[in-house]
Amino acid sequence: NAGVTQTPKFQVLKTGQSMTLQCAQDMNHEYMSWYRQDPGMGLRLIHYSVGAGITDQGEVPNGYNVSRSTTEDFPLRLLSAAPSQTSVYFCASSHTPGRTGWSLREKLFFGSGTQLSVL
Amino acid sequence: DAKTTQPNSMESNEEEPVHLPCNHSTISGTDYIHWYRQLPSQGPEYVIHGLTSNVNNRMASLAIAEDRKSSTLILHRATLRDAAVYYCILRVPNSGNTPLVFGKGTRLSVIA
Repeated sequence: NAGVTQTPKFQVLKTGQSMTLQCAQDMNHEYMSWYRQDPGMGLRLIHYSVGAGITDQGEVPNGYNVSRSTTEDFPLRLLSAAPSQTSVYFCASSHTPGRTGWSLREKLFFGSGTQLSVL
Repeated sequence: DAKTTQPNSMESNEEEPVHLPCNHSTISGTDYIHWYRQLPSQGPEYVIHGLTSNVNNRMASLAIAEDRKSSTLILHRATLRDAAVYYCILRVPNSGNTPLVFGKGTRLSVIA
């Protein structure tokens, strides 16, 4: 199994440009999420989804959009990139016991990350 | 918000045991304690989790205090490959659907 696959691994954008970070998982996980990690800080949750057609905001959702049209894919869109969005982005997925939410008994599987620089 | 408290950094010699502490004094009765680690330039990976009893797996052991207000991740024989940031995580009480909240973790250095 490939697990959680993120593309691209590196990206440089100019302020105001838009782009989509891709995330795909082949484990049939219901739950998927996006985190960002800034130097010296832990991971902060951007958006998450408990199943196809369902998304919700995390701690730092501003400036990002998500959608979940399939179980496998959970893209993260930056509509107008800003220097403050320079960060490393991680996608993660897990099983959930149902569509009511994520259970602490389920472990998260992370992708290898996307390093994004906004100039 | 309830938080976990971990030392910023720790150091260990190779092939010696390492005890990584975590305080979580406001943990609620149904919250599981999870540990993840993040190797350099990689995404975090699951290490272990538990509720009340001590847990062992091939990577590590988790010792949970009787009052559940603290826990310790134990690496029985540290190797250079164990150098990473270790995160102790639990659910924030009354957080609804908000899942894992990562703190800054403990940066473990392993000396050959």
